[in-house]
Amino acid sequence: QPVLTQSSSASASLGSSVKVTCTLSSGHSSNIIAWHQQQPGKAPRYLMKVEGSGGYNKGSGVPDRFSGSRSGADRYLTISNLQSEDEADYYCETWDSDTRVFGGGTKLTVL
Amino acid sequence: EVQLVESGGGLVQPGGSLSLSCVASGFTFSTYAMRWVRQAPGKGLEWVSTVSGSGGSTSYAGSVKGRFTISRDNSKNTLYLQMNSLRAEDTAVYYCAKGLPGGETGHWGQGTLVTVSS
Repeated sequence: QPVLTQSSSASASLGSSVKVTCTLSSGHSSNIIAWHQQQPGKAPRYLMKVEGSGGYNKGSGVPDRFSGSRSGADRYLTISNLQSEDEADYYCETWDSDTRVFGGGTKLTVL
Repeated sequence: EVQLVESGGGLVQPGGSLSLSCVASGFTFSTYAMRWVRQAPGKGLEWVSTVSGSGGSTSYAGSVKGRFTISRDNSKNTLYLQMNSLRAEDTAVYYCAKGLPGGETGHWGQGTLVTVSS
């Protein structure tokens, strides 16, 4: 089954940009992944799907500041013009036949 | 607007049972796969189980296989999770979630807390 690896933390300044990375395990580098945001004390929220081609499709109401991309086995979530409300945990998700996995999450701090 | 409302959480002793429900609205329930995802206190997300739109196909994480049963009643727009032989490590917030046609999880409920403790 696939494994997703994320850095445990990231930080960036208000108004700047940040790229959060999710790495797929060997043999799964073409998998589609999804990104979810979880603000403190809240339920997760679906942000977008990143295709194996690198194209992405966002969920309803997700600001234009959020975008996705890929390079090899890496999938990226880029947040531009960081806002205080972007401070949250970000999880990637993928699936394979009957199995579904989440990355360990990246805690984003907005400085 | 998609809404998913979980209920049924609470405190249960190790070895006990609990049943969770999730009432869905705002979409054609029978068309979409549904799943349960849990989050232990201070930890990340863990997929628990998925059921197809018809209810005819189910899958489980290894950690709950043989103890948990997912089901759905499309006439009531309701998803269920029957949890038996509960362990302390099953303590978590349990989220009901809607699958999208592309495979990803597209909507989340607010969650219900299950605590397994004596």
